[in-house]
Amino acid sequence: DAGITQSPRHKVTETGTPVTLRCHQTENHRYMYWYRQDPGHGLRLIHYSYGVKDTDKGEVSDGYSVSRSKTEDFLLTLESATSSQTSVYFCAISRRMENTEAFFGQGTRLTVV
Amino acid sequence: DQQVKQNSPSLSVQEGRISILNCDYTNSMFDYFLWYKKYPAEGPTFLISISSIKDKNEDGRFTVFLNKSAKHLSLHIVPSQPGDSAVYFCATGGGNKLTFGTGTQLKVEL
Repeated sequence: DAGITQSPRHKVTETGTPVTLRCHQTENHRYMYWYRQDPGHGLRLIHYSYGVKDTDKGEVSDGYSVSRSKTEDFLLTLESATSSQTSVYFCAISRRMENTEAFFGQGTRLTVV
Repeated sequence: DQQVKQNSPSLSVQEGRISILNCDYTNSMFDYFLWYKKYPAEGPTFLISISSIKDKNEDGRFTVFLNKSAKHLSLHIVPSQPGDSAVYFCATGGGNKLTFGTGTQLKVEL
């Protein structure tokens, strides 16, 4: 299995509070991604990174920011959590731009109350 | 607008029979196509892929077919086993990222 760890695995937070999710990899892969999974929507890309300090928006980036100061860490921040951000968040990594195969973490279940 | 569609949210198949999961996409510029499998409380895992220059790729019990003119992708599992019960996502790729479908819940019954 690819060395990819998400933390925390579960979190409950209050509306309006900032939340940071962490993705850590030991594979030295260049590309890292944050997805959210919701019923009826599948997996939707929030943000991705193609190198240290190089990030770009995905299809559902509003309300989220990311940072990547080291190859191994990719942080996802909910600036002011809302109930619509209750979801399961997955981090993924891949070696190549073609992204022919991405490896996923085990997910973070976030509940915003 | 959903660029990748899996129109069947669920599928039930008997053990030993063939499972066929379908996926349609809209962007003819996609370069490669993948299937992922997901069990509850786990992350998706890569299953099989196919590039746009091929129309079939086989790996054991799993075969992926690509019909570029119809913009249609399918995954065949034969014979189906109870351990295949999971959610299956198709994904299409181009550039730096993958675009996923909404998933199909496959249940293989004894």
